[in-house]
Amino acid sequence: KNQVEQSPQSLIILEGKNCTLQCNYTVSPFSNLRWYKQDTGRGPVSLTIMTFSENTKSNGRYTATLDADTKQSSLHITASQLSDSASYICVVSPLSNDYKLSFGAGTTVTVRA
Amino acid sequence: NAGVTQTPKFQVLKTGQSMTLQCAQDMNHEYMSWYRQDPGMGLRLIHYSVGAGITDQGEVPNGYNVSRSTTEDFPLRLLSAAPSQTSVYFCASSYSRRGTGNTIYFGEGSWLTVV
Repeated sequence: KNQVEQSPQSLIILEGKNCTLQCNYTVSPFSNLRWYKQDTGRGPVSLTIMTFSENTKSNGRYTATLDADTKQSSLHITASQLSDSASYICVVSPLSNDYKLSFGAGTTVTVRA
Repeated sequence: NAGVTQTPKFQVLKTGQSMTLQCAQDMNHEYMSWYRQDPGMGLRLIHYSVGAGITDQGEVPNGYNVSRSTTEDFPLRLLSAAPSQTSVYFCASSYSRRGTGNTIYFGEGSWLTVV
């Protein structure tokens, strides 16, 4: 069973609107949680990295939150742009081995004009 | 600074053939790794290395070999290609300070089809 579950699997939003993506994980204890953006046909690109003691991290219009008690994280996209159309991947690093990352399957976001 | 460079971008192999996916980074990163990405699944770790001469297995190592003779290069070898190895392969690298949440940089991917 995957240790990182993301929802929804996909969503469509209108340009300028906000959206929130969810990530639930069972990796415990964990070292850090990352969000990546992957454009179609490209490699993942880092958006945010949060340690277990951080609650929020922002990168421009992207804001990630973390609740280590409930093992949930969310990624909020504000004022979406067409260039935000991509897959967003949640990644958790176990404390036992920071190199053996657990990846979610991703949420595909489509922004329409 | 080219980052993480993977070659080839696309490859079609016949079952039983062998090949090597190349990966190079110019950021002096100690950590390098190979992942495969299949539809509907998260990236899965194949092999990783924490420095020249040091490699270890990931989640799905069977059918793949790696070596790390230099800090810059980390090739992935498919010994005898099988249709189940049809996938998109990503190489990644980062500085090797464990537990500090280093940014991991990914290459652009190699699309492999085994027929």
